[in-house]
Formats: sequence, structure tokens, C-alpha cells
Amino acid sequence: DTEVTQTPKHLVMGMTNKKSLKCEQHMGHRAMYWYKQKAKKPPELMFVYSYEKLSINESVPSRFSPECPNSSLLNLHLHALQPEDSALYLCASSRLPDRGNSPLHFGNGTRLTVT
Amino acid sequence: GDSVTQMEGPVTLSEEAFLTINCTYTATGYPSLFWYVQYPGEGLQLLLKATKADDKGSNKGFEATYRKETTSFHLEKGSVQVSDSAVYFCATTNSGGSNYKLTFGKGTLLTVNP
Repeated sequence: DTEVTQTPKHLVMGMTNKKSLKCEQHMGHRAMYWYKQKAKKPPELMFVYSYEKLSINESVPSRFSPECPNSSLLNLHLHALQPEDSALYLCASSRLPDRGNSPLHFGNGTRLTVT
Repeated sequence: GDSVTQMEGPVTLSEEAFLTINCTYTATGYPSLFWYVQYPGEGLQLLLKATKADDKGSNKGFEATYRKETTSFHLEKGSVQVSDSAVYFCATTNSGGSNYKLTFGKGTLLTVNP
């Protein structure tokens, strides 16, 4: 069982819809991440939150909007997506402070299909 | 910048065969090194890690040694099982910074046949 919980597991949305992906962890981790993974590819970093503040945005289009309401929750708001945004969206968390020694804990992801 | 190169596979083995998946990295400073595994339909799980030269990470029969002289972190297992079938990712942290960013290799698909 993963300690990072993502909902929903699957999501199908049209290009005009607004939807949100949710992620929750109760390990006391203060860094949380969104990754995008296309089929047969490694995960690509999208956003990093550190102590509930956005610390890294990897030049992600504004149709993806992250939110970290508290230290346990991470959301990704989706609006006006394109079919090429279809992918597995992975949430992860790690302990802080850290200099790279603390591994990431991943959720099982949300499989997003944009029609 | 940092980079990771690993054998892309796919790798197909019979049960109880010996496994090696090669991984080399390019990084300045003293990065940490990781192997993550992704089973079908799941997210990534940490398999093992090493944080300094000559460290050996091990878990579930898998091993990898941090070799600074050859900038390598090859994954090995003496006897694979069908349940080891998955995609394996080698990864390194960015060196020198406090922000935690992983650089992943492209992944190696392992299929173990009974």
C-alpha cells in the first residue's frame, strides 16, 4: 500500500472542462511534487512545494495550476487541457530539510485522458 | 547539467537468471543515487539508494554499488523472479543544491518468464 494517496485513479475530461487532481500524505513530509509521465517514459517534474510554498515550476503551461492548502494536501487544477496532456500524473512527497538524501514517496497516480 | 544513462532494454530473462541493468551518471559534486521500480499500473517505489562513494544499496535481493571512479550504479540481482517484472529507473539528485530534483534515466523494462 502506498502512503501517498491520489484521487481519482482515472479521469476523462473534455478540452473545455475544469477538473482537479488530489493528493494526500500523512507522513509529515514538507516537500510535495507533481510529475507527469507519458507511456514508456520516465516521470517529468512539473512542480515542487516546499513548506507549502511553490519552489519550483518547470515552465508548466498555465492550464495546470497547483495548490497546496496545507502540509498534507496537494491539488492540481486542470482547465482547457489539450489531448497531448493525456498522461499519468504522479504525486510524490519527501522529508525536509534535505540535501537529496531523502527519497521520494510516490502515489499510484491519476490516469488522465483528454478528449 | 546532470544526466543518467541506463540500458533501455527491454530485458527478457527466465526465472532464476542473473540480472544486470547498467546505469552511468554525469554530475558535479557528490550526488545521491537511486533505483526506483514501477510495477504495472502503479507509481514508482524506491528500490535502493546510495549517498556516497563505495556505498552499497540493497533491498529484496537487489544490489547496486556507488562507483565514483566509473560514475556507475549498476543494478544486480542473483536470481530473478516473475514478480520482478517491472520498469526500473536509475536516478540521481541534482548536485550541490538544497532543492530536491531527481534526474531519471529512460527506464528499463524487465520481463521475467517462468
